[in-house]
Amino acid sequence: NAGVTQTPKFQVLKTGQSMTLQCAQDMNHEYMSWYRQDPGMGLRLIHYSVGAGITDQGEVPNGYNVSRSTTEDFPLRLLSAAPSQTSVYFCASSYTGVTNTQYFGPGTRLTVL
Amino acid sequence: GDSVTQMEGPVTLSEEAFLTINCTYTATGYPSLFWYVQYPGEGLQLLLKATKADDKGSNKGFEATYRKETTSFHLEKGSVQVSDSAVYFCALSVYYGGSQGNLIFGKGTKLSVKP
Repeated sequence: NAGVTQTPKFQVLKTGQSMTLQCAQDMNHEYMSWYRQDPGMGLRLIHYSVGAGITDQGEVPNGYNVSRSTTEDFPLRLLSAAPSQTSVYFCASSYTGVTNTQYFGPGTRLTVL
Repeated sequence: GDSVTQMEGPVTLSEEAFLTINCTYTATGYPSLFWYVQYPGEGLQLLLKATKADDKGSNKGFEATYRKETTSFHLEKGSVQVSDSAVYFCALSVYYGGSQGNLIFGKGTKLSVKP
C-alpha cells in the first residue's frame, strides 16, 4: 500500500494564480480531509468528506474548493491564490469517522508570492 | 467552544530524561483524545488515543491518561531517546448532538532530545 500520497511536494505561485493540490489514498477509506499547518497555529481543518460525493466545510474553508468523485481521490483547489494561503497542506484519511486513526500524507509546501 | 491547550515549547531534554507534555481541553459533549507526532519533514502519525474517561493510551513507551476531573490528557515517557525528537500534537474530537466532531488540534510542542 502506498498509503496517502500528495502531489506536488513543493509549489510556488503568484498572487491570483489557481492550482490543484492532489491527494490520493489506496486504503479504501471513506473519510478524507485537508488541513493547513501554520507556525504556532497547529493544524486547522479546511474541508472534509465522509464519502464519495459528500463534502463539507471545516474551520477555514474560504478560498478553497474540494470535490470527491471517487473514494480514492480528494483534490483541493485554490481558485485565486493569496499570500495568506502560504502554508503546508496535509491530506488525511481514515475509515469512517475521526476517532479512527487518521493517516496523513507527507504534505505540500505552498508559497504564494 | 471546544478547544485544546497544550504546553508551549520548545522542550529540550537529555537522553533518558523523563518527559511530560501537558494538554488540557474544554468540551461541550463527550471527548475523545489523541496524541499525534510529526517527525521532521513528514506528516502526522497517531501515537496514542483514549476514548473514555480514565482510559490510558500507550505506544512506544509513551502514555497518556484521559482525566475527566481535570480535563487533561498529559503525555509522558519515562526515558526519552534522540529518536523521539519531533513535534507532538494533542487533539480532541467531541461527540455531541448525535454526531462526532472533527479533530481539533493544539498548537504543537517541539521536543529536542540531546545525546
